[in-house]
Order: sequence, then C-alpha cells, then structure tokens
Amino acid sequence: QAGLTQPPSVSKGLRQTATLTCTGNSNNVGSQGAAWLQQHQGHPPKLLSYRNNDRPSGISERFSASRSGNTASLTITGLQPEDEADYYCSSWDSSLSSEVFGGGTKVTVL
Amino acid sequence: QVQLVQSGAEVKKPGASVKVSCKASGYTFTNYGISWVRQAPGQGLEWMGWITAYNGNTISAQKFQGRVTMTSDTSTSTAYMELRRLRSDDTAVYYCARDSLHGLFVGTIPPPADYWGQGTLVTVSS
Repeated sequence: QAGLTQPPSVSKGLRQTATLTCTGNSNNVGSQGAAWLQQHQGHPPKLLSYRNNDRPSGISERFSASRSGNTASLTITGLQPEDEADYYCSSWDSSLSSEVFGGGTKVTVL
Repeated sequence: QVQLVQSGAEVKKPGASVKVSCKASGYTFTNYGISWVRQAPGQGLEWMGWITAYNGNTISAQKFQGRVTMTSDTSTSTAYMELRRLRSDDTAVYYCARDSLHGLFVGTIPPPADYWGQGTLVTVSS
C-alpha cells in the first residue's frame, strides 16, 4: 500500500495544463518535501524534481513542482504526447525511516 | 556519462535467494549512494533500501529487514542487493538508482535518485 496518496489518473487535452497532487502527512511531505518522477511504460523512472521543487538539469520548464502543507503538486504545462506516462511522488518519512512513494498517476493526453 | 548496468533476469523458486548486481560507470562510485527500488507487474514503485557507497552503511525498509542485504564492491564499482526467502509476491522488476547528491552533502536521509539502472526482472515461481 502506497504511503502517499495520488489520484490514479488525469486526462487533459493537447497543450493544456495538468496538475497532479500528492498528499502525505507532517512526517513526510509536510517536513521533507516531495520529489517527482516520470515513468514511461517499460522504462525506468526519470527524476523530474527534487524534494525542494528544483528541476534537475535537462528537465523541461514545462514541469514545475510546488508544495502547500502536506500536499505536493506537479504542474505540467503545454501537454505534449510524450508526456503520457505514469508520474510518482516520493518523500522521506521520518517516522518510518523509509522512502515512501505515491501509488502513481497515469497522465493521458487527449 | 553515468550508467548503471544491472544483471540479467532471474527465475527463482519460493524460498530461494536472489542477488542482483548493479555496475556503475561514468562517475566516482564512492561519492554517491545507491538505492534499491522494486516494481511488481502493473504496480507502483516500492523503496527497499539504500547503501552509502563510501562506507557501506545501509538503511532498509522495515518490510524487508531481515530478508535483504545490500552491499557494494568499490574495487569494481558494483552494488549488490540480495533478497532471501523469496515468495511469489516478490516477483518484480528490481531497480538500482544513484543518489542525486554527492555524499558530502548527504546526511542520514537518502536524496532522490537521478540515474537508474535498466531494471532486473525477478520471477518467483514454483
């Protein structure tokens, strides 16, 4: 069972904006922030943002992360066909001394 | 360029053990820790544990404590994950992944991983 809560799916039109959410608690997202990863079918995950919301080098500015309290968000602007993928959030849980993941959100670009 | 190359697919019987290797190249192995993450078929990601490359200290998820051993061989820049007493629900793709931060800037909490291996499918079946 996932430690963080993500909606199972989000569908948006081409060039629209999608906002994905990730809800945790004060032991993880609220205190440690959340990282975001993208995974295309059959491939390993790819880091999109660090827990402090910064993007790694080479990640498009169309991906932006933020946090409010115990909920982290990933906004994808100008949706492209290649953005169709599963998106996972992750955080360090200080009470579990473990990294925890969300269950993932499948993004469909209509 | 940074690369993590994992060992090939394995088929094991319940109760057996599996040892997955992860050979790193393109960076100084001892400067970055390695996490292990698995993904059951059609399911999400599950963190298994983390090893610091420079001193071999490990943290493992409570679920796997007593069943998993993570090690590293600095002479060959290779990390290993061994999982014992395999069950059918251990069937998954196992990934190794490198820390996104240099060890000098990492305390006791592993940072997110920025480079991932290609994954190793472990199938547990009688």
